Amino acid sequence: ETGVTQSPTHLIKTRGQQVTLRCSSQSGHNTVSWYQQALGQGPQFIFQYYREEENGRGNFPPRFSGLQFPNYSSELNVNALELDDSALYLCASSPGEAGELFFGEGSRLTVL
Amino acid sequence: SQQGEEDPQALSIQEGENATMNCSYKTSINNLQWYRQNSGRGLVHLILIRSNEREKHSGRLRVTLDTSKKSSSLLITASRAADTASYFCATTHSGNTPLVFGKGTRLSVIA
Repeated sequence: ETGVTQSPTHLIKTRGQQVTLRCSSQSGHNTVSWYQQALGQGPQFIFQYYREEENGRGNFPPRFSGLQFPNYSSELNVNALELDDSALYLCASSPGEAGELFFGEGSRLTVL
Repeated sequence: SQQGEEDPQALSIQEGENATMNCSYKTSINNLQWYRQNSGRGLVHLILIRSNEREKHSGRLRVTLDTSKKSSSLLITASRAADTASYFCATTHSGNTPLVFGKGTRLSVIA
C-alpha cells in the first residue's frame, strides 16, 4: 500500500510568481485535504476535495485553488505569491469519512 | 481559525516520566483526534476518540475526553527520547467536515 506522496519537497519562489504543488493520495482514498502550516503553528485548513469536487474551504483567498483528478491525486495552485505564503503545505487523504487523515511529508515553500 | 488549543505550549521531561498534554475546544464535536509531528515532517495519526467515548488506550497512549468541559488529554507513559515531537489535537464537527487543528504542544524528552 503506497502512502501519500507530495512533490516537490522544497521550492523557492519570488513574490508575484505562481506555484503548483502535487499530491498522490493513498490507494483507495477518495478525499484529499490541503493544509498550510506556518512555522511554529498548527496546520490551517485550505480546502478539501471529494470525488473531484471541492466540498469545503477554509479562510483562504481565491488565489489558492485546487484540483482533484479521476485517480484522486490532487494539485494546489497559488497565484500571485506573497511573502506570508511561505509555509509547509501538507496534503492528506482519507477514505471519505470523518476518520483519520493520512498525511504526506509536505512541500516546503519559501517566497522571497 | 484554530478550534482546539493545546496546553502547555511546550513541555520538557526526563526519559521514563509520563507526559500529559491537554486540549480544549470551543464547539460540539463528532470526534477528536491526536496527531504527532516530528520537526518539519508530515503528521502521523495517533488515536481517535468519538464524542460518545470517554477514554481510549493505544500502547503507551491514553486519551480522555470530557465533552461537558470541551476538553481532552493525551497521556504518554514511560516516555522515550524518540517521543520528542509536536503533538496536535484536531476536531471535526460532523459528517465529512474538515479536521481543525490546534497550535500544538512541543514535547522534549531528555535522555
